[in-house]
Amino acid sequence: EPEVTQTPSHQVTQMGQEVILRCVPISNHLYFYWYRQILGQKVEFLVSFYNNEISEKSEIFDDQFSVERPDGSNFTLKIRSTKLEDSAMYFCASSEVSGDLETQYFGPGTRLLVL
Amino acid sequence: AQSVTQLDSHVSVSEGTPVLLRCNYSSSYSPSLFWYVQHPNKGLQLLLKYTSAATLVKGINGFEAEFKKSETSFHLTKPSAHMSDAAEYFCVVSPMFSGGYNKLIFGAGTRLAVHP
Repeated sequence: EPEVTQTPSHQVTQMGQEVILRCVPISNHLYFYWYRQILGQKVEFLVSFYNNEISEKSEIFDDQFSVERPDGSNFTLKIRSTKLEDSAMYFCASSEVSGDLETQYFGPGTRLLVL
Repeated sequence: AQSVTQLDSHVSVSEGTPVLLRCNYSSSYSPSLFWYVQHPNKGLQLLLKYTSAATLVKGINGFEAEFKKSETSFHLTKPSAHMSDAAEYFCVVSPMFSGGYNKLIFGAGTRLAVHP
């Protein structure tokens, strides 16, 4: 069964460093998402991406964040200058369609720790 | 505004007994509702989905959920718990915007423990 994959599974970085989290969505999917879960808090939406552009972003998704689909298979989340509060589990998701037929499929997550 | 409330942060049951995980939602629009499960060190797996076709939804691993509009509830049940059901369960709402993209709104999660 096709699945969403994410790399790395764990990443430790120093505050102020750039990190890139990578996701490979399911191959025929067209809609892509990033969510995050800070330890002990709810899973929260960051950004949605369709047709090579951001379709919606949350207020969390400030200028330090960017997303890209560089090669038609990968979907990346970049944090330019990490802060301590960026420590979280980051989930990538993808779906084939949007609207009421949509089901989002999630990857296993990347646990990011900013020191 | 849309929101989801999971009424129990922890539920503990004995193997073979019924499971009930409670969820209430708030949505200005006709929502899609989901239950996802997360086993330790695993990703979020879809258990089941409601999209107005039928109020009783059957999912994987013997789970089902009933949509009750009058109570704004979408409780998850299973007749007989198995040890492998121990995990964290998330109730999720997706507001149905016409032509929009569906960001999911998660509940806080319920951790289910199953004892022998």
